[in-house]
Amino acid sequence: NAGVTQTPKFRVLKTGQSMTLLCAQDMNHEYMYWYRQDPGMGLRLIHYSVGEGTTAKGEVPDGYNVSRLKKQNFLLGLESAAPSQTSVYFCASSYSSSTGFHFQAKNIQYFGAGTRLSVL
Amino acid sequence: GEDVEQSLFLSVREGDSSVINCTYTDSSSTYLYWYKQEPGAGLQLLTYIFSNMDMKQDQRLTVLLNKKDKHLSLRIADTQTGDSAIYFCAESRAGYSTLTFGKGTMLLVSP
Repeated sequence: NAGVTQTPKFRVLKTGQSMTLLCAQDMNHEYMYWYRQDPGMGLRLIHYSVGEGTTAKGEVPDGYNVSRLKKQNFLLGLESAAPSQTSVYFCASSYSSSTGFHFQAKNIQYFGAGTRLSVL
Repeated sequence: GEDVEQSLFLSVREGDSSVINCTYTDSSSTYLYWYKQEPGAGLQLLTYIFSNMDMKQDQRLTVLLNKKDKHLSLRIADTQTGDSAIYFCAESRAGYSTLTFGKGTMLLVSP
């Protein structure tokens, strides 16, 4: 199994350009996530999805859009890239776990290798 | 303050034990996790512990949870240079579909 695959691995954009990052998972997971990682800031959640056709905002959603048209894919779009969006982007997926009272509490996320984006 | 806090850096010598600490604020946390990130790679789950447990051991890894103080630690025995990485603490809560991550602790193991 490939697990979680992100494309592309690297990209350089000019300010104002647009692009789409693709995340694909082959584990039949319901949940998918997009994070960005910046020095000293840890991981910050951009958007996430709890199932096909659903999306929700995370901690830092501004400037990004997402779509989950197929269960296995989660797309992150930058409509007009800005230098502040220079970062490493990670996608993750997980399954829901129901253990009685602790419904959906266990959330083991599997991460892709990341996309390194520079916006000049 | 931050929901999940970790010290930023830890340096140890090869063969010593490493202890990475994490504190969290939400008493409704149900599972706590440790992830490892090697240079240039994504995060990889190391281990996790259910909130009603005090300790979990897995080979060289020992996780201790003090629920009263909301303190989690990861002990790595016989630390090797290959353990050099960033270690993230994270928590999940019942009814939520997301994890809350700490900012990560960079572990540097010197020969």
